[in-house]
Amino acid sequence: GDSVTQTEGPVTVSESESLIINCTYSATSIAYPNLFWYVRYPGEGLQLLLKVITAGQKGSSRGFEATYNKETTSFHLQKASVQESDSAVYYCALGNSGGSNAKLTFGKGTKLSVKS
Amino acid sequence: AQTIHQWPVAEIKAVGSPLSLGCTIKGKSSPNLYWYWQATGGTLQQLFYSITVGQVESVVQLNLSASRPKDDQFILSTEKLLLSHSGFYLCAWRAGRSDYTFGSGTRLLVI
Repeated sequence: GDSVTQTEGPVTVSESESLIINCTYSATSIAYPNLFWYVRYPGEGLQLLLKVITAGQKGSSRGFEATYNKETTSFHLQKASVQESDSAVYYCALGNSGGSNAKLTFGKGTKLSVKS
Repeated sequence: AQTIHQWPVAEIKAVGSPLSLGCTIKGKSSPNLYWYWQATGGTLQQLFYSITVGQVESVVQLNLSASRPKDDQFILSTEKLLLSHSGFYLCAWRAGRSDYTFGSGTRLLVI
């Protein structure tokens, strides 16, 4: 089946430091998977942070970016300089684009704490 | 604007007791609805989906059931809770090929 593996948390970084959360995937049931990063801030629901649907492309949002690498089956999340407000749980996911049951397959989530 | 509301925010329940979690979507007609669940230390996985009122498909068997009594409402329930039901439950909707929109979730602890 499909699976996603991401950096095990918790991860603690200092404000203004760089961040990378690793994500690798295995898509056995989807020929052309879409890749996503979701974020859950404390007390809030899961929000889409960024997505990329084409291999080789980069997605970016709120200073975060991730590149869809089909050769290494990776979709690592990076940010050059984190802020305290980035403290949250980050989920990498893959899915297909259509159909009534376009199921998302998630990683376990990585809890990020940014200290000032 | 579309809104998704989940209730309750959190629950502590005894093993063997019944459970009902709910989700309401406003501002979108005939959405596809989903329940996801994450056990502590586990991954978020899809439990159920529904494309229309009265129709629900089960994806993972967990001794839970789901119903869609109205176009904008999705209910997750069980008659008897197990310890293994503890975790975080998320409701979501999707229309066509749009991105998922998730609710804030319900944290359930079964003791």
